[in-house]
This record gives sequence, structure tokens and C-alpha cells, in this order.
Amino acid sequence: DTGVSQDPRHKITKRGQNVTFRCDPISEHNRLYWYRQTLGQGPEFLTYFQNEAQLEKSRLLSDRFSAERPKGSFSTLEIQRTEQGDSAMYLCASSFSDQPQHFGDGTRLSIL
Amino acid sequence: KNEVEQSPQNLTAQEGEFITINCSYSVGISALHWLQQHPGGGIVSLFMLSSGKKKHGRLIATINIQEKHSSLHITASHPRDSAVYICAVSPLNYGGSQGNLIFGKGTKLSVKP
Repeated sequence: DTGVSQDPRHKITKRGQNVTFRCDPISEHNRLYWYRQTLGQGPEFLTYFQNEAQLEKSRLLSDRFSAERPKGSFSTLEIQRTEQGDSAMYLCASSFSDQPQHFGDGTRLSIL
Repeated sequence: KNEVEQSPQNLTAQEGEFITINCSYSVGISALHWLQQHPGGGIVSLFMLSSGKKKHGRLIATINIQEKHSSLHITASHPRDSAVYICAVSPLNYGGSQGNLIFGKGTKLSVKP
């Protein structure tokens, strides 16, 4: 069981730079979710895909954020012109339809 | 006011104690989830339930749909149970499918030997 894989585990970057994270879901899962979690808080929903279609986006996902899942397998989350407030743990999860979600270990983003 | 509220925020217990964590929510849901998060970030799904009660080992989850309330119980607690326990709900949308989750802030549990 390979589980949900996220890369990188940690990313440190300067304010204003662009960053891209990758998520590889469990292979037979058709749904993929992105969440953001700040210290001491529960995760917050960002967006989700069913296959390659992006079905829902949170209002938290400003125009600096974009997510893709081009072939319905792996997904990327890009943040352009990073700001201090983007520092957080970015979590990816996948599921088969309405079954429980399986989470990756997250990518921790630190903005200097 | 958050749509999902958990109590307590922090909980310290002695090994062997019976533990209860509560979750209340204010939206219509298709399912409620209990999740466990260990230091470093990894989240594991413990339960997904829409009615009644589920049991897995020493863990029991209950839900009362009318009262919009759920509890997670841990029997015979052990130091390895120390983690953050998060309640999350699947709000009713897209015909009831699990489009996204709304999370509580979590309950940090520490079990002392």
C-alpha cells in the first residue's frame, strides 16, 4: 500500500516566489482533495477533483492559487507571489467516491 | 461561530482512563468523520458515520443526528493514543456527496503513563 504521497515534505522560500507542490493519490482513487492547516487549527478545505475535473473551490483559494489534475492521477498545487500568510501545512487526500479520505503527510511551507 | 465545535480543546488523562471527546455541528451533513493527527502532520481516518454507533478496537464513535452531536470514546487509554483528534463533517451538497470536509479545531489528547 503506497498511500498518498506528497512532495516536497518541507519547502522554505522567500516572499514573492512561486512554489509548486505535488500529490500522488492512491492509484484507484478518483477523488483528490487539497487542504491547508495552520498551527493550532483544523485543516481548511481548498479544492477537490473528481478525476480530472475540479468540482469545487473554496473562497480561500485566491487567484494566486491554482490546482490541476491533468490526467486524473497526480495533482499539483501552485502558489504564485507567495505571502507570509501562506505559511502553513498543505495536505492532500484522496478517496474512492464517498469512501473515507486517505491523507498524505503534507507539505510544510515556510515563507521567509 | 465555527460550524464544527469540539470540546475539550486539550485533555490530559492517566493511562487506563476512559476518554470522551465531543463534537457539535451546525450544518446539515451527509456524514461525520473522526480523524487522528500525530505530530508531524499525518492524518488517519478513524471513523466515518452517518447514524448510530461504530466500534473499532478500543475506540467507539457515536452520533445523534437530531441533536447534531457526536462523541468519540477511548476505553483503557494508553500513551500511544496521545494525538490530536479532529472531528469533520461532510456538508450536504452535490446531492449529498462528500464534496469537501469542514473540520473542527481538534482536541489535543495526552495520556500519561
